[in-house]
Amino acid sequence: DQQVKQNSPSLSVQEGRISILNCDYTNSMFDYFLWYKKYPAEGPTFLISISSIKDKNEDGRFTVFLNKSAKHLSLHIVPSQPGDSAVYFCAAMDAGGTSYGKLTFGQGTILTVHP
Amino acid sequence: KAGVTQTPRYLIKTRGQQVTLSCSPISGHRSVSWYQQTPGQGLQFLFEYFSETQRNKGNFPGRFSGRQFSNSRSEMNVSTLELGDSALYLCASSQTGTGDSGANVLTFGAGSRLTVL
Repeated sequence: DQQVKQNSPSLSVQEGRISILNCDYTNSMFDYFLWYKKYPAEGPTFLISISSIKDKNEDGRFTVFLNKSAKHLSLHIVPSQPGDSAVYFCAAMDAGGTSYGKLTFGQGTILTVHP
Repeated sequence: KAGVTQTPRYLIKTRGQQVTLSCSPISGHRSVSWYQQTPGQGLQFLFEYFSETQRNKGNFPGRFSGRQFSNSRSEMNVSTLELGDSALYLCASSQTGTGDSGANVLTFGAGSRLTVL
């Protein structure tokens, strides 16, 4: 039972263009959502997050959008850079409950940004 | 500010052996969580400790255990290793483990790569 799904295993984008990574969730108890980036042989690095009380959060080139009714969130990277090439994980948390330390992750999307 | 430190980075064990992995959290962080990453199952939550107490546990067999010390450092142990235990084991720390704000976001270490032969 995958509660967080990233349906695109990979995405290829040209440098300077927009990268859009998508994520769907099924558990309505999730109220906090995060995106992490992971390079080989390293741990996931936090990128950006959004609370369920918001529908958009921006941080520099990164914007996360949340559509609660559709149980869908997306990460926009503009402009995309070759250094953004990595695996991107969507994660969700029931922050208001007792799910201490527990993030539920999607399977990841491999982003490749071509120069 | 030092990040989350995990040791050892790589290790090889044989079936039936046991292994202990160590995690030093970011200074001031009292919550430590452990995750297992495999190609088939992705990133899965093992357990979380706060002030030396296990507060949350994932769906793993009892062969997987952990503990936390008074300085917030944590160890996890896997006994009677199986081939399927081969994975990257990740430790993450945060101030409270609630992960509901920027101050409480989980910060991950580089992981310990375990290979079971």
